Amino acid sequence: ETGVTQTPRHLVMGMTNKKSLKCEQHLGHNAMYWYKQSAKKPLELMFVYSLEERVENNSVPSRFSPECPNSSHLFLHLHTLQPEDSALYLCASSQIEDSFTDTQYFGPGTRLTVL
Amino acid sequence: AQKITQTQPGMFVQEKEAVTLDCTYDTSDPSYGLFWYKQPSSGEMIFLIYQGSYDQQNATEGRYSLNFQKARKSANLVISASQLGDSAMYFCAMREAGANSKLTFGKGITLSVRP
Repeated sequence: ETGVTQTPRHLVMGMTNKKSLKCEQHLGHNAMYWYKQSAKKPLELMFVYSLEERVENNSVPSRFSPECPNSSHLFLHLHTLQPEDSALYLCASSQIEDSFTDTQYFGPGTRLTVL
Repeated sequence: AQKITQTQPGMFVQEKEAVTLDCTYDTSDPSYGLFWYKQPSSGEMIFLIYQGSYDQQNATEGRYSLNFQKARKSANLVISASQLGDSAMYFCAMREAGANSKLTFGKGITLSVRP
């Protein structure tokens, strides 16, 4: 596997379900990100993990719970979601070196539909 | 205030011709990076090209080049010799200096390449 991978690619869940999104990066990066992309909206940053510590929680509801067990893996645990949470969830990674030059590389995304 | 502005509606270009996608940005930080990403209908956000605020020359990557006009705060993407596979959404993004600075995206531009 190369780059950033995400599973599953598609997910349909009910509002009472609990599910998890998985992201894995094979680039040796030290930072990972979760973004939400809703129709006709700019990309919204949800969480940032740098060196496995959460450094950003962009006012995301508690029904989204991230987990970063190591520098290569990132999870997004979902529970009691709402239909408006239906979106494309993108994972990204980068090598943060305290500059503005680090490039984020994205995975293919998980298309989530909440019924 | 919006940091990244992409105001063009859907763009159309004939195959093999060149096309320019506009992007203007707003920052008071002298140190920043500008990025362009391509998002096909499959959803993956693909990194195309990077331009740093101190770079003297316009960035180029294969058929992609960045027309960087610092005084005007514009960073337009030029795609030469358009191909059918170039049909996608294109996002301009900026990151200012600082370890906790976020990558801010514009709303994107839809490009359709006609055969």
